[in-house]
Amino acid sequence: SQTIHQWPATLVQPVGSPLSLECTVEGTSNPNLYWYRQAAGRGLQLLFYSVGIGQISSEVPQNLSASRPQDRQFILSSKKLLLSDSGFYLCAWRTRDRGNPEAFFGQGTRLTVV
Amino acid sequence: AQSVTQLDSQVPVFEEAPVELRCNYSSSVSVYLFWYVQYPNQGLQLLLKYLSGSTLVESINGFEAEFNKSQTSFHLRKPSVHISDTAEYFCAVRTGNQFYFGTGTSLTVIP
Repeated sequence: SQTIHQWPATLVQPVGSPLSLECTVEGTSNPNLYWYRQAAGRGLQLLFYSVGIGQISSEVPQNLSASRPQDRQFILSSKKLLLSDSGFYLCAWRTRDRGNPEAFFGQGTRLTVV
Repeated sequence: AQSVTQLDSQVPVFEEAPVELRCNYSSSVSVYLFWYVQYPNQGLQLLLKYLSGSTLVESINGFEAEFNKSQTSFHLRKPSVHISDTAEYFCAVRTGNQFYFGTGTSLTVIP
C-alpha cells in the first residue's frame, strides 16, 4: 500500500534562518506531488506541484522554493524565513491512475517562525 | 482557474441532528469533486469523491454528497451527527493536475 511521510511534525525557526521540509511517498511510482500551506483559520494554498523529477510549477511567488531530486521525494526550502511563513505545511500526492483522482495528504508540519 | 466556495465557516449542530455543509464551485467542465476531513494538527483525509455516474456518493461513516451540475454544487450531508464528527471539512475540485480547495467549514457537534 501507498504511504506518505512528511517531517518534521513541528518546527520552530528564527526569522532569517533557512528551511528544509521533506516529503517522501512509498508504494507508488511517478506520482504528482504537491506542497500546500494552511494558515490559521484559512483554507489550503497551493504552493508548488510537480509532475516529474526536476519539474516544478510554482503557484505563488514568495521566498519559498521546491525541488524534486528523486521520483518520490519532494522538498520545500527557503533561504531566509519570514514571520509570514508561519503556518501548517502539507505535502500531498496523487497517482496517474484515472480511477483514483484524489490526493493523499501527509500529516503536516507546523512551522512557527519567531 | 477554478474557485470553490464554502459559505459557512462554522456550523454548530446538536448531536444526532442532521447537518448540511455547502459547497459551490465555479465551473463543471471536466471536474472531479471531493470532500476531505481534517482533525486538529493532522493532514486531510478523503471523506468521499465524485468521478462520474450516480450523482449521490456516500462515505462509510454516514456522510453523503450530491453532485448538482446545473447548480455547480456538491453539498455534504449527514442525517445524524456524532460527537466524533467534530472537525474541519474541506470541499475540493480537481481540474487537470491541480486541486482547488474551499476555505473550510468547522463543524462542531454539541452534546
